[in-house]
Amino acid sequence: SAVISQKPSRDICQRGTSLTIQCQVDSQVTMMFWYRQQPGQSLTLIATANQGSEATYESGFVIDKFPISRPNLTFSTLTVSNMSPEDSSIYLCSVETFQLAGTYEQYFGPGTRLTVT
Amino acid sequence: AQTVTQSQPEMSVQEAETVTLSCTYDTSESDYYLFWYKQPPSRQMILVIRQEAYKQQNATENRFSVNFQKAAKSFSLKISDSQLGDAAMYFCAYRSSMEYGNKLVFGAGTILRVKS
Repeated sequence: SAVISQKPSRDICQRGTSLTIQCQVDSQVTMMFWYRQQPGQSLTLIATANQGSEATYESGFVIDKFPISRPNLTFSTLTVSNMSPEDSSIYLCSVETFQLAGTYEQYFGPGTRLTVT
Repeated sequence: AQTVTQSQPEMSVQEAETVTLSCTYDTSESDYYLFWYKQPPSRQMILVIRQEAYKQQNATENRFSVNFQKAAKSFSLKISDSQLGDAAMYFCAYRSSMEYGNKLVFGAGTILRVKS
């Protein structure tokens, strides 16, 4: 497994501002993912962040709104830009590891609870 | 595109009893993984159990086991001897193929309440 930390754990922001969320992993991983979980709902993938290349965004998410950095194999940031109340969600970072049994597993950080007023 | 359906928004179980959470999925692929994740109020997502589609044997992890029916595209989670700490939101998730970096597709989730 992997131990993942996120900063901040929660924040309250004003509309029109931006927030950068940090994700740190205790081991080197190739693939990192950013998910959004809107209140009372399931998780939706925002983008996949591969070290050394541009992030790949899912339909409905764009780089201008959610720029992502992946400077090395243990760290990534997600910025939520020009925020509106609709961006109020939990944002989760996850990593994929390849297990000795020959399978893939994804592990999640504790999430960042964002409230936009 | 793959979809995952959890038809039970909420379930309740008495402490020490058994409960089964349902999950169905839709895919045209033959190779994939299925997962159950637990999200307690702390919101930390915890991997509970994993099933590889090519394996006929159902996965088990202590009190947690699955009933994987590939032809029916069904993947239910059975929790035996339920404990208060099992109370959480449970998500079923699908991951296609064996390639590195495939996303998880999640169901809507089932809230499990455990009564003492």
